[in-house]
Amino acid sequence: SYELIQPPSVSVSPGQTGSITCSGDDLADKFVSWYQKKPGQSPILVMFQDNKRPSGIPERFSGSSSVNTATLTISGTQPVDEADYYCQAWDSSTNVVFGGGTKLT
Amino acid sequence: EEQLVESGGGLVQPGGSLRLSCAASGFTFRNFWMHWVRQPPGKGLVWVSRIDENGSGARYAASVKGRFTISRDNAKNTVDLQMNSVGPEDTGVYYCARDADNSGFALDLWGQGTLVTVSS
Repeated sequence: SYELIQPPSVSVSPGQTGSITCSGDDLADKFVSWYQKKPGQSPILVMFQDNKRPSGIPERFSGSSSVNTATLTISGTQPVDEADYYCQAWDSSTNVVFGGGTKLT
Repeated sequence: EEQLVESGGGLVQPGGSLRLSCAASGFTFRNFWMHWVRQPPGKGLVWVSRIDENGSGARYAASVKGRFTISRDNAKNTVDLQMNSVGPEDTGVYYCARDADNSGFALDLWGQGTLVTVSS
């Protein structure tokens, strides 16, 4: 079955740039989405089709993808950005698949 | 306002059954695939199932196939998840979510979730 691998945690100082990676076989051939999840709240889509921001998502969020790795980058990170972040892709064998999640502190 | 509201969660004994429901409002429900995603306590998001816009096609995660059934009523704007033969591994918050473009590539609207606890 298809798997997406994320680092368990990423630490960033306020105002700095933080990056979260998501690795999977032939990931560049798939569209990757990213979700922000805070405790007690529903997930929020923050990036889709690798690098497109839904309306209402701040410009400091950006996405990229190459070969086997997708990256969510947060520029000028703010305390409100502290959350768990999940990457997601679609694969013909497993349908929707999520990464294990990365805690951004 | 576009909204999804789940209901039906609760405490169920191992081997028992539970039916979750998700009510949609504020958008043309019949045009969208719908998904169920769960989050076990202290763990990450796990995709459970999806149903296409007219209810003719459904897909399931291997862990629930044969035990769970997804269905929808486009007249009532609801999508349900019938959970049978549940086990402790089915414990978690269950979210329904809308597929942004009926492709499985992105889920752009989520409900607030409903908690399912499987325990004796």
